[in-house]
Amino acid sequence: QSVLTQPPSASGTPGQRVTISCSGSSSNIGTNTVNWYQQLPGTAPKLLIYINNQRPSGVPDRFSGSKSGTSASLAISGLQSEDEADYYCVVWDDSLNGWVFGGGTKLTVL
Amino acid sequence: QVQLVESGGGVVQPGRSLRLSCAASGFTFNNYGMHWVRQAPGKGLEWVAVISYDGGNKYYADSVKGRFAISRDNSKNTLHLQMNSLRPEDTAVYYCVKDHSSSSLPDYWGQGTLVTVSS
Repeated sequence: QSVLTQPPSASGTPGQRVTISCSGSSSNIGTNTVNWYQQLPGTAPKLLIYINNQRPSGVPDRFSGSKSGTSASLAISGLQSEDEADYYCVVWDDSLNGWVFGGGTKLTVL
Repeated sequence: QVQLVESGGGVVQPGRSLRLSCAASGFTFNNYGMHWVRQAPGKGLEWVAVISYDGGNKYYADSVKGRFAISRDNSKNTLHLQMNSLRPEDTAVYYCVKDHSSSSLPDYWGQGTLVTVSS
């Protein structure tokens, strides 16, 4: 049972916009910034969004992040087949004194 | 370019110990905090431990506290994870992860090393 709650799956067709939610509490998302990772099949995760809405260099602007209260969201616009992957949110938890990951969302491009 | 190469994984019996290593290159190792994150087969990511750039601060997930110890040798650009009293539920790919350049958060990941705890 993850401290952060993500939907286990999401899907969309090419060109569509999809969003993935990440729900936490006052000790994690409510206080600290949220980061997102993309894990393509058979590979190590890659940082996708950091500090709620910042994109590392090389990450397309189709990917965006937002945070409100104790929840955060990852949005992917102009969905492409290569976006099919697992997506994870992560945040520091002040009560646990450690990083906590969401359970992950498997994105399928139909 | 940044390179993180994990080693030391393998098959180990429950209750035994194992030591993982991560050889870092392509960046100034002693400037960055480092993490271990694991992923059980077919499951999600679980953060394990973090150590500050100078080794002065360490934090652990509750699931490994008291059994695992993170350490670093800045003279050799190497990160370690000493794993004691291993359990079957510790079976996972263990990733070495470097902190972000401008903020303390897990950023760049190695390719991982598989640890299997089984009798």
